[in-house]
Amino acid sequence: QVQLVQSGAEVRKPGASVKVSCKASGYSFTDYYMHWVRQAPGQGLEWMGWINPTSGDTTYAHNLQDRVAVTRDASISTAYMELRSLRSDDTAVYYCVRSVAPSRGRLDYWGQGTLVSVSS
Amino acid sequence: DIQMTQSPSSLSASVGDRVTITCRANQSISMYLSWYLQKPGKAPKLLIYTASFLQSGVPSRFSGSGSGTDFTLTISSLQPEDFGTYYCQETDITPLTFGPGTRVDIK
Repeated sequence: QVQLVQSGAEVRKPGASVKVSCKASGYSFTDYYMHWVRQAPGQGLEWMGWINPTSGDTTYAHNLQDRVAVTRDASISTAYMELRSLRSDDTAVYYCVRSVAPSRGRLDYWGQGTLVSVSS
Repeated sequence: DIQMTQSPSSLSASVGDRVTITCRANQSISMYLSWYLQKPGKAPKLLIYTASFLQSGVPSRFSGSGSGTDFTLTISSLQPEDFGTYYCQETDITPLTFGPGTRVDIK
């Protein structure tokens, strides 16, 4: 069965970086784009960006494009999301989610989420 | 960027009630609209995609309709397990913006 398993919770200080992993199984990793979505405590969902796992091409939300990088290692079916220059308002649960296309497709399987806490 | 709104922001309904949630985009997104249900502490679950297609495994009491800018999610007979927050998301153009959510409580 399709599974996206994310790395564990992280605690960082403001200004630091964090890298979250998302390991896919149960399907061909290169057949699906991987998106990242985050959710601050008590807030709604925010789309962050996607990666084409075949080419490595990426697209990011405008408000994050200077600080976020999504990469992948197709040999181990794993996508990564790195966020730099962390601020307190980056405290959130971060999800990876796959889709067959960068847009106009369904985001069908989600990871379990990774809590990133930013605090001095 | 496309802006999404949802109404109502919250509702309380009884088991067996018919429940309708609306989602509006500020420009046409054709039929590229998805609906999710999120329970506390869990990842969102895809219910409906491309406005009206039921995701595999989702009960048939859930249905979606609409096109262009106005969309509706309907639960024909609310069940106790349907509580949570419902989000719409436009999937037409990046950034793939989510609506602010509709919280559904069971009376």
